Amino acid sequence: DAKTTQPNSMESNEEEPVHLPCNHSTISGTDYIHWYRQLPSQGPEYVIHGLTSNVNNRMASLAIAEDRKSSTLILHRATLRDAAVYYCILRGADGLTFGKGTHLIIQP
Amino acid sequence: DTAVSQTPKYLVTQMGNDKSIKCEQNLGHDTMYWYKQDSKKFLKIMFSYNNKELIINETVPNRFSPKSPDKAHLNLHINSLELGDSAVYFCASSQDIEALKTQYFGPGTRLLVL
Repeated sequence: DAKTTQPNSMESNEEEPVHLPCNHSTISGTDYIHWYRQLPSQGPEYVIHGLTSNVNNRMASLAIAEDRKSSTLILHRATLRDAAVYYCILRGADGLTFGKGTHLIIQP
Repeated sequence: DTAVSQTPKYLVTQMGNDKSIKCEQNLGHDTMYWYKQDSKKFLKIMFSYNNKELIINETVPNRFSPKSPDKAHLNLHINSLELGDSAVYFCASSQDIEALKTQYFGPGTRLLVL
């Protein structure tokens, strides 16, 4: 069963920042927070992950709440190519458990 | 070069048939996975192999049998195919089984059982 809660969909305009929230109130101390995305007709693609501290990479930033019960994926300047389903996943010792994800719609 | 490849990309078959899906990774990873994405787009892990040994075996019918001839390959054999097996199957790999390691997914195999 999925252990994260995300909005079903979000809409944003091109070239604007996007903040994708995720709640994970039952997170354990050893769970990493992973974000993957799935573009139409493709396999999931890694975006970013973190444990406690905020993380940045070339694709996005991950802001993790101090109590780790929520996190936010930040796309700094969304493009049409960022339209996808974004999954927030807690990973412990087993494989990735995907929830429903957030369907991100980007308007030109 | 494709990091994780799967064959075939599409597979259409009749109920009751036996079929196999092949997966290969050229990343030198120790761990490989099979996931199933159903018509409602839910992605669920089916199996995980680490160094050719089965690590995770979720509640999957025993008609599904993974086989890992070496660390670079994890094939999925399905016996007596049923309508409900229609789905997209994704293979993935990661450096090892540690929780922080990134998984790399293949393009998927779209299976349709008629």
